[in-house]
Amino acid sequence: SQQGEEDPQALSIQEGENATMNCSYKTSINNLQWYRQNSGRGLVHLILIRSNEREKHSGRLRVTLDTSKKSSSLLITASRAADTASYFCATAWANSGNTPLVFGKGTRLSVIA
Amino acid sequence: DARVTQTPRDKVTEMGQEVTMRCQPILGHNTVFWYRQTMMQGLELLAYFRNRAPLDDSGMPKDRFSAEMPDATLATLKIQPSEPRDSAVYFCASGLGDTQYFGPGTRLTVL
Repeated sequence: SQQGEEDPQALSIQEGENATMNCSYKTSINNLQWYRQNSGRGLVHLILIRSNEREKHSGRLRVTLDTSKKSSSLLITASRAADTASYFCATAWANSGNTPLVFGKGTRLSVIA
Repeated sequence: DARVTQTPRDKVTEMGQEVTMRCQPILGHNTVFWYRQTMMQGLELLAYFRNRAPLDDSGMPKDRFSAEMPDATLATLKIQPSEPRDSAVYFCASGLGDTQYFGPGTRLTVL
């Protein structure tokens, strides 16, 4: 399975601190995506990074990808209480577009005000 | 904002009953996915369609689950008969490029 695995499983930080979540996967990928899920709700797409990219930014989010290590990290800077959610990495199969995503188990982030 | 919609949002039923979940993908999206989320297994793909044609349903128990797209604005997932182990949140997602847009999910409880 090329299922991604997030690390840590749970993370608790104070508002204003940075949060870093890591993801490892097993096989070649076309792209890697990060999604957020608030409790009891659907997943919201955050950012996509392609296999030929190493770093990408979106607002307070920074994603890195190391294909040699088959790993990615998501950094949320200056966290807010509203960032409290579960964060999932998802990988798409190599050489294919718009294919199913394989999700990790997620990191539960708690931001304490 | 265009959104994926799913009905019902919650469903409680008894073992053996038929369950039908519906999804309206975002207009213009050509790919529709059904995922299931449980605490134990996380998010798993059940089936997906492109241009209404089923491409992969290997994640579904074939004897009880069926997925269809009667038209471009409706995808359905049926379970017959339902079992307690089917209790989960079922998500529909649609997409045109690499990004997938998820609906709010149907929380199914089979007693």
